[in-house]
Amino acid sequence: DVKVTQSSRYLVKRTGEKVFLECVQDMDHENMFWYRQDPGLGLRLIYFSYDVKMKEKGDIPEGYSVSREKKERFSLILESASTNQTSMYLCASSFIMTLLAGRNEQFFGPGTRLTVL
Amino acid sequence: GENVEQHPSTLSVQEGDSAVIKCTYSDSASNYFPWYKQELGKRPQLIIDIRSNVGEKKDQRIAVTLNKTAKHFSLHITETQPEDSAVYFCAASIGTNAGKSTFGDGTTLTVKP
Repeated sequence: DVKVTQSSRYLVKRTGEKVFLECVQDMDHENMFWYRQDPGLGLRLIYFSYDVKMKEKGDIPEGYSVSREKKERFSLILESASTNQTSMYLCASSFIMTLLAGRNEQFFGPGTRLTVL
Repeated sequence: GENVEQHPSTLSVQEGDSAVIKCTYSDSASNYFPWYKQELGKRPQLIIDIRSNVGEKKDQRIAVTLNKTAKHFSLHITETQPEDSAVYFCAASIGTNAGKSTFGDGTTLTVKP
């Protein structure tokens, strides 16, 4: 059974603080993703990684950075948190997509609700 | 980049009725189209998916159809039940892009008993 875990379910930080959100998966997935989820805006991709030390910007990377030093762990960093980064953050992982038949399911973590005051 | 539009944003049906959610995508290279269901307070989970070499796929009460020419795909839920109430997300992926998916904004489905 795939398990994707996130370091915190709820987090409250102050403006200007450096914030670390961590995600760990136990299925040896190559891909890992960070999304933020806001009402009416769906799931917006912040960054993703397809291998250790590899990263690519998603649709909304501004104000965020990521780190992937080990295959199972993907960290999202807010260098200087701002109130507009208050949101639900979801991590996900998946195998490398192939053109063969079969699922390319993304497995999501439980989410971290971050509030920046 | 890819743009996915999803309609409607909210949908309310009576138990036993059918529900249809529609999505359009912009990049003709997209070849994988998953649908995720997110129940209140829970994480999104894949419920059905379709690849571009298939026009329709069915799994019990849910089905997905794909029209590559028009670049749209739809989720159909028949004989809806209260436990179908959730937010549904469509997504589009390009096979060469390491599985990166672009998601629609979501549809909140409410099934009234």
